[in-house]
Amino acid sequence: DGGITQSPKYLFRKEGQNVTLSCEQNLNHDAMYWYRQDPGQGLRLIYYSQIVNDFQKGDIAEGYSVSREKKESFPLTVTSAQKNPTAFYLCASSITPGQPQHFGDGTRLSIL
Amino acid sequence: QQQVKQSPQSLIVQKGGISIINCAYENTAFDYFPWYQQFPGKGPALLIAIRPDVSEKKEGRFTISFNKSAKQFSLHIMDSQPGDSATYFCAMTSYDKVIFGPGTSLSVIP
Repeated sequence: DGGITQSPKYLFRKEGQNVTLSCEQNLNHDAMYWYRQDPGQGLRLIYYSQIVNDFQKGDIAEGYSVSREKKESFPLTVTSAQKNPTAFYLCASSITPGQPQHFGDGTRLSIL
Repeated sequence: QQQVKQSPQSLIVQKGGISIINCAYENTAFDYFPWYQQFPGKGPALLIAIRPDVSEKKEGRFTISFNKSAKQFSLHIMDSQPGDSATYFCAMTSYDKVIFGPGTSLSVIP
């Protein structure tokens, strides 16, 4: 079954700690994206990658980092520099950049 | 920064009625105009998408209408059902840009 898998579903972070959210896709899509969604809000773009070994900052990249070493994987690290990390994080992919995106089921990050 | 204006913010429709959600944009330098459906605690699901050179696209009970001259596109949900109660987002995508609307909360009441 093709799709996008995000893990874990729930994640808790202590003050000063970096945490990494996993995103894996088996759709053979070139482009991958990370979004942040706050309660009752729309989606804000954190980072995106149009091709392996390349990624670009989105609208709210500060306090986050990514890597794209494999086509199917696009992990997001929420660093201690991100002072308000509590949110619902969504990963998406598209066949090529510009095509409609398909989303995973998200990771909910909370602060302990 | 370019935005897309989505209306209404919330919508209540009776079962069997037509739900209509509208989005207005500033320019057409986008390749696709998709609509997404999101249930609480889940990721958005792609419902239907249209290219700007097409005026209407229908998939089942869902129809997108695209009005290039008015710079608007709309989602119509025919025969709305309680299971359609969710948040709906419009979006615009191009090679190096993606913009999402703020969302519309739809409630379909029996």
